[in-house]
Amino acid sequence: DIQMTQSPSSLSASVGDRVTITCQASRDITNYLSWYQHKPGKAPKLLIYDAFNLETGVPSRFSGSRSGTDFTLTISNLQPEDVATYYCQQCDNFPLTFGGGTKVGIK
Amino acid sequence: QVQLVQSGAEVKKPGASVKVSCKASGYTFIRYYMHWVRQAPGQGLEWMGIINPSGGSTDSAQKFQGRVTMTRDTSTSTIYMELNSLRFDDTAVYYCARGLEARPYGMGVWGQGTTVTVSS
Repeated sequence: DIQMTQSPSSLSASVGDRVTITCQASRDITNYLSWYQHKPGKAPKLLIYDAFNLETGVPSRFSGSRSGTDFTLTISNLQPEDVATYYCQQCDNFPLTFGGGTKVGIK
Repeated sequence: QVQLVQSGAEVKKPGASVKVSCKASGYTFIRYYMHWVRQAPGQGLEWMGIINPSGGSTDSAQKFQGRVTMTRDTSTSTIYMELNSLRFDDTAVYYCARGLEARPYGMGVWGQGTTVTVSS
């Protein structure tokens, strides 16, 4: 199975800050990675697919990048509505696997 | 608009079975793979399995093989996930999700979730 190691597990930042979440795959998954935002009591929401591509309707302050097996989700201008838990997911091979999640809060 | 509507909350005893439904609307049902994902209390997201609504073929995570059955009804655009031999640690919110058109292993639209509680 492909392991997805996500860090940090939680962070707190100020409104307007740039926030970075990383995810490392245990082996090459090329660009087959998605990022999701999950708020309590709601369904997860797709933010980024294929490592870089912004899902329709997602604010442009969200972006994704890749370097080898390391993937990054960046929120460039943190807003109060971005408080949520964020998950990466590899879309390369069964079983599909998620990172452990990063809980983002506001200072 | 594209929508996935799941069945309501369930409370089951250990050893029982539960069947969760997910009705799709707003798109051509057979064109998109569908997934089941769960989240236990205080835990992260866990992929359970996938079904191809066109032919009905499925694949599931090894930990659920032998306990999970995924089916579909093309006449009602509905998929089903049945989990048997329920244990306390199957208590979770269960989600269905639609795969992406070009990347079926990504999940672009999600149902609202179904809470399954296993309690004696």
